[in-house]
Parts: sequence; structure tokens; C-alpha cells
Amino acid sequence: DAGVTQSPTHLIKTRGQQVTLRCSPISGHKSVSWYQQVLGQGPQFIFQYYEKEERGRGNFPDRFSARQFPNYSSELNVNALLLGDSALYLCASSANTGTGYTFGSGTRLTVV
Amino acid sequence: QQQVKQSPQSLIVQKGGISIINCAYENTAFDYFPWYQQFPGKGPALLIAIRPDVSEKKEGRFTISFNKSAKQFSLHIMDSQPGDSATYFCAASKGAQKLVFGQGTRLTINP
Repeated sequence: DAGVTQSPTHLIKTRGQQVTLRCSPISGHKSVSWYQQVLGQGPQFIFQYYEKEERGRGNFPDRFSARQFPNYSSELNVNALLLGDSALYLCASSANTGTGYTFGSGTRLTVV
Repeated sequence: QQQVKQSPQSLIVQKGGISIINCAYENTAFDYFPWYQQFPGKGPALLIAIRPDVSEKKEGRFTISFNKSAKQFSLHIMDSQPGDSATYFCAASKGAQKLVFGQGTRLTINP
């Protein structure tokens, strides 16, 4: 069975640009969460979606937005990129919210 | 109150030894405590998890010890192997809410 799939794996953007990251959850998983992991730190929660509804939002500016589609895949959008947005962006899926999350390998975003 | 504090930041253990990583939390509403293992270039992988109604959980060489009164939990890796060299994260969550991660421990097992 395929795990959590994220695309692209690596991305280089210029300050001020916009980026869209994509995530396909494990088949049958209805909950998707996004995390930002800065080098040398633990992942920080950005968003949680369940059945296409936002269930939680972390302490991130409005430049960050996300959505979940009817097939439970998800996109994370970041506008007006800053150098500090450079990080590994992780998507995690779960059959139910809150427990047993499986993470993808992430998208490495570099802002120059 | 949402923080999870993890120690040590780095740990070096000889092959065959016991690796011990500790975490402390403040929010008594947390009811799920997982440990994740992360290799370079990969996402975190769930190792083992515990709920506060249990004081210890063992899966193979990995054991979680949980002290509810002290608001602490720890990961013990028995017979540590070079392949266990990775970064380990503790985490906690409340019900269906987000995972709050510790800062991570870089574990190195010397052969």
C-alpha cells in the first residue's frame, strides 16, 4: 500500500513568490495535517483537516492557507514567501483525527 | 502550557547499550503520547505510543515509561544498534487535536 505521498520533493522559490504543496493521504484516511519542520527543530503544527473541513490551525500568519479535496488529498499554499519559510513541510494522514498519524517524506522548500 | 520539553538534545550510546530519552509536559489534558523516529531526508515514523492510563508499554526493543503524576514520559531503546542512529521526537496531543512535538534528540550508536 502506498504511504502518504507529497509533491514536489524539493522546491526553490524567490522571496515574495507563492508556492503550492500537495499531499495524497493513505487510502481510506480522511484526516490530513500539515506541519513545518525547521532544520534542527521538531515539527510545528500548521493545519488539520477532516472530511474537508478545517479542524485546527496553528500559530502561522494568514499567508498560509490549505484545503482538502473530496478525494481527501490536500494542498498547502504559502503566499509572499519569506526567507524564514525555508523548511521541510510535512503532511500526515490518519483514519481518524488525533491519533496514529503517518507522515510523508515532506517537501523541502528553500526560499532565496 | 502547550510545550513538550525533550532531553537530552544529543546522545551517544555504545552498541548493545540502553538509550534513554526523556520528555516532560505541562498540559494535563494531553491523552496521547507517541514517539517518532526520523532519518535524514525522511518524515517522522511512528515508533510506539502510550495513553495515560498505562504506566509502561513495550514493543520489541522499544519501551515507553509514563509517569502521570510527574507529567513525564521516556523512551528506552534496549540493545541499541547502529541502525537506531536517528533523531527521535516525543509528542503529545489532546483528543483529536494537533500533535505538539519536543525539540528532538539526535541519537548516535557507536559500533
